Amino acid sequence: AQTVTQSQPEMSVQEAETVTLSCTYDTSESNYYLFWYKQPPSRQMILVIRQEAYKQQNATENRFSVNFQKAAKSFSLKISDSQLGDTAMYFCAFMSGITGANSKLTFGKGITLSVRP
Amino acid sequence: DGGITQSPKYLFRKEGQNVTLSCEQNLNHDAMYWYRQDPGQGLRLIYYSQIVNDFQKGDIAEGYSVSREKKESFPLTVTSAQKNPTAFYLCASSIEGLATTEAFFGQGTRLTVV
Repeated sequence: AQTVTQSQPEMSVQEAETVTLSCTYDTSESNYYLFWYKQPPSRQMILVIRQEAYKQQNATENRFSVNFQKAAKSFSLKISDSQLGDTAMYFCAFMSGITGANSKLTFGKGITLSVRP
Repeated sequence: DGGITQSPKYLFRKEGQNVTLSCEQNLNHDAMYWYRQDPGQGLRLIYYSQIVNDFQKGDIAEGYSVSREKKESFPLTVTSAQKNPTAFYLCASSIEGLATTEAFFGQGTRLTVV
């Protein structure tokens, strides 16, 4: 079974600075997908970024980028120029590349990020 | 506007009673999912369905039941057999499984047993 580990329960960053959120995962598969979701105080889950394991290039979405290290099974999220609206809980998630009845999204326990003004 | 709707937002239940949480989507998505969120636990999968009239147990299915009679609807029943039902419940949907596209989430239902 796949597992996703987010070992830091909380982090804090000054507005306009850069912060990196860590995530590791365990799987025996070679084809899979990784996601970072954001859950602000409204509790609405929002997709931040996704990475396909077969792609060597790290995904980037505006101020958000990932450092995907497949051999190390590491998938960290870097937030540049942090904004107050980035304050939220962030979840790392894993999805098998094998679609069908056994496919499901596995989440880490999340990390609470606070952006200080 | 297309989206996924959960109702009610807040729900109170007496011990020993069954309660049903609603999840409806008009995105024409094939797959639908129910997650439970507890503090410090992340999101845990309860049930999921890839197609109408079919569904599979997730990691914590005990004490819950679902149905998928229509593509748009995936209600979750929390039965009296669920020993600790107080939690935040999230419903999600996607096209043909989550691997090929992002999952869209509802706004959640906060269930409290009183």
